[in-house]
Formats: sequence, C-alpha cells, structure tokens
Amino acid sequence: EVQLVQSGGGLVQPGGSLRLSCAASGFTFSRDWMSWVRQAPGKGLEWVANIKEDGSEEYYVDSVKGRFTISRDNAKNSLDLQMNSLRAEDTAVYFCARDGSGYHYWGQGTLVTVSS
Amino acid sequence: EIVMTQSPATLSVSPGERATLSCRASQSISSNLAWYQQKPGQAPRLLIYSASARATGVPARFSGSGSGTEFTLTISSLQSEDFAVYYCQQYYDWKTFGQGTRLDIK
Repeated sequence: EVQLVQSGGGLVQPGGSLRLSCAASGFTFSRDWMSWVRQAPGKGLEWVANIKEDGSEEYYVDSVKGRFTISRDNAKNSLDLQMNSLRAEDTAVYFCARDGSGYHYWGQGTLVTVSS
Repeated sequence: EIVMTQSPATLSVSPGERATLSCRASQSISSNLAWYQQKPGQAPRLLIYSASARATGVPARFSGSGSGTEFTLTISSLQSEDFAVYYCQQYYDWKTFGQGTRLDIK
C-alpha cells in the first residue's frame, strides 16, 4: 500500500523558518518525481515545487523561489521542504504528492501558519 | 503560465441526477489533464487522469472527456458521497489547477 506520511508544520513568525517532511512507503520512491502542493485556508490548490527522481532537478512556483528548497533522500525514502523567510501568504496546508500523470497519491497534509 | 478556468463555481444538483463540470485551458494541453475530488479536511483524491482514464478504485459513474482546451467531468448519477469540491489540473507545462467547482446538494 502506498503511503505518504507527513510531519513538521506549525506556527511560525513572519521571517522565520520551518521544515516539512514526507516519509514514503509502498512504492519505489527513487523512480518517481515528487511534489509539494499547498492550499491556503478556504482557497484552491497551488503547486509549490517538485524534484526529479535522482534529485538533480528542482522546480518552484515563482512566489517561493529563493525562499523554499525541496530535497529528497532516496536511501531513506523521504522528501523535505525547507521553508525560509516565511510570509503571511505562505499560510496553508501543505501536501506532498507522488508526481506523474496527475497526483495519484497524497500525504495527509500539514498546516503551516505564519503569524506574529 | 497556463491558466485553468472551471465553470460553474457552484453547481447544485439533486441526488440521482447527472452533474457536468467544465474546465478550460488557456492554451492547448493535449490530454494532460487530471480531475480531483476534495472533501473538507481531506487531501484531494485523483479521479481522472489523461483527460479520460479513471484512477484506481474510482466508480464508473465518473467519466472525463475532452482534449486541447475544453474538458468535462461527468458524474452520471450523483450519490450522497459525491458532494464535494472538484478541481481540474493541467500537467502539460508545469502544473496548474483550476479554481474549483463546488458541487452542492439541491
């Protein structure tokens, strides 16, 4: 059974940092691109970043470039999102997802709240 | 950036009736389109990929059609568990989502 189990998140002040993690199981993690997708309260879905199978390529939505870093550890079947210089508009539920022709599998989501 | 526009924003339908949701891309995306269902407090669930292929475990009452810039999700006979928010997503060029259609009970 494919599982994506997320950890991290919480309340952080503007300008602060937070790290999200996603533990994968039930599939060959090293063969798939992985993504982070977020959803602001009461809003729609927004792709944030994705990373190639071997970690050699990363892509970001413009609004997080230079502040967020996606990474993966294929030996540990884990995906991370390091978020720096956080802003109020980064407040959202963040989901990790297995990339492909659509997102067939999602993590449970973790809430990040940026507020003073 | 490819912009995805869904219509209507809200659709009110009675159980047992058919629901038709639309999604338009700002440029051609071939068949690189997915549909998701999301219920409150839950992660989205993939329903349709490649415009018309049903994901694993998705009931046959859900069907997708279209290519290029115009796409449709049809739910043939609405069940109580189908009332939710539906999103389309293109993965032809990066990944962008539509703003969602809320399907309400009439």
